[in-house]
Amino acid sequence: GDSVTQMQGQVTLSEDDFLFINCTYSTTWYPTLFWYVQYPGEGPQLLLKVTTANNKGISRGFEATYDKRTTSFHLQKASVQESDSAVYYCVLGASGGSNAKLTFGKGTKLSVKS
Amino acid sequence: DMKVTQMPRYLIKRMGENVLLECGQDMSHETMYWYRQDPGLGLQLIYISYDVDSNSEGDIPKGYRVSRKKREHFSLILDSAKTNQTSVYFCASSLDRGNTEVFFGKGTRLTVV
Repeated sequence: GDSVTQMQGQVTLSEDDFLFINCTYSTTWYPTLFWYVQYPGEGPQLLLKVTTANNKGISRGFEATYDKRTTSFHLQKASVQESDSAVYYCVLGASGGSNAKLTFGKGTKLSVKS
Repeated sequence: DMKVTQMPRYLIKRMGENVLLECGQDMSHETMYWYRQDPGLGLQLIYISYDVDSNSEGDIPKGYRVSRKKREHFSLILDSAKTNQTSVYFCASSLDRGNTEVFFGKGTRLTVV
């Protein structure tokens, strides 16, 4: 079945540091890939989306590139701010479009210190 | 304004009581979801609804049932709540079956004592 792996459970950075969150996926389908962000007390919200057609997403200074060869979808940001502190989820879209099931990674909690 | 609304936001129930969590969306989305979120386990899918009266079990449906009688409303019911159902519950909706943006509500924090 489909799976998503986020190995980093927690990342702590200082403001202006470079952010890199690792994500790999496994699916037999042509994936749509997402990064969702969850701030304290809120539900997850879409950060960016990538398909096989556009293979790169950019939003709010964050960037993710879909690499079919390595089945990776890492999230990057050149310079983090304290307001970026949140939990980040790598998400694989539904396979085949028939069952609507998303596959969530376990999430990476980012803490940015000023 | 595109929104998923969950009521109530906080709820405390005694073990064995029935629990009703309500969810509404104003986007006419066909697909709606119920998830629970627990520390260390991330988001776990309880049920999916593809439209009115068209519901499907997710990964952890045991102990839960759902009802969708109108496209904009999706309810989660716990018959005889258990302490291990203490969690944060999220409702979500999407335009299609999982490859467009999924909109989440703010969650309901349920405590079963």
